[in-house]
Amino acid sequence: EVQLVESGGGLALPGGSLRLSCAASGFIFGRDWMTWVRQAPGMGLEWVANINKDGSEKNYLDSVKGRFAISRDNAKNSLYLQLNSLRAEDTAVYYCARDGFSYAMNVWGQGTTVTVTS
Amino acid sequence: QSALTQPASVSGSPGQSITISCTGTSSDVGLCNCVSWYQQYPGKAPKLIIYEVTNRPSGVSNRFSGSKSGNTASLTISGLQAEDEADYYCFSPTSKISLRLFGEGTRLTVL
Repeated sequence: EVQLVESGGGLALPGGSLRLSCAASGFIFGRDWMTWVRQAPGMGLEWVANINKDGSEKNYLDSVKGRFAISRDNAKNSLYLQLNSLRAEDTAVYYCARDGFSYAMNVWGQGTTVTVTS
Repeated sequence: QSALTQPASVSGSPGQSITISCTGTSSDVGLCNCVSWYQQYPGKAPKLIIYEVTNRPSGVSNRFSGSKSGNTASLTISGLQAEDEADYYCFSPTSKISLRLFGEGTRLTVL
């Protein structure tokens, strides 16, 4: 079964850090681009970042550039998102997703919740 | 850059058809046949229902169909069923290689 499982969410102080992980199974992880998407409470989906197959190309939403870092370890079938300098507006459920044909995200994890509060 | 424009809500009765629009620009929706659509139930992860404007992934009902004209993409759901009540989002790459955009989202209510 193709599956993505996120972990690492939790409470953080403004200015704090968290590291999200996404464990992939059921497919050859190193063959696909991967993406992080977030959803603030009661709000819509927001694309956050993506990474190419070997980790050499990374793209970010402007509001997270310089604060968040996407990475992957193909040997461990894992995707990561390092969240630094967190702000209240980063509070959201964070989903990892596998990119398929023409940028469509065809597999999603269940999400992990990040709450930034003092 | 802001989200693609979708109606906040649409509604329809069982058996009817509804269409959700997704309006962007020539730098995103109009850029290529790359628009995808996602269905999301409250508290659940999104699910891909349309990719490359018109294609359905395996297992998605043929009651869901997509189209595009210029800078506006559309999702049509025919033969509405109670289980279709959910939020729907469009998604598109943009000419700025580092940016992807979701639509604002549309809440579908089955009356």
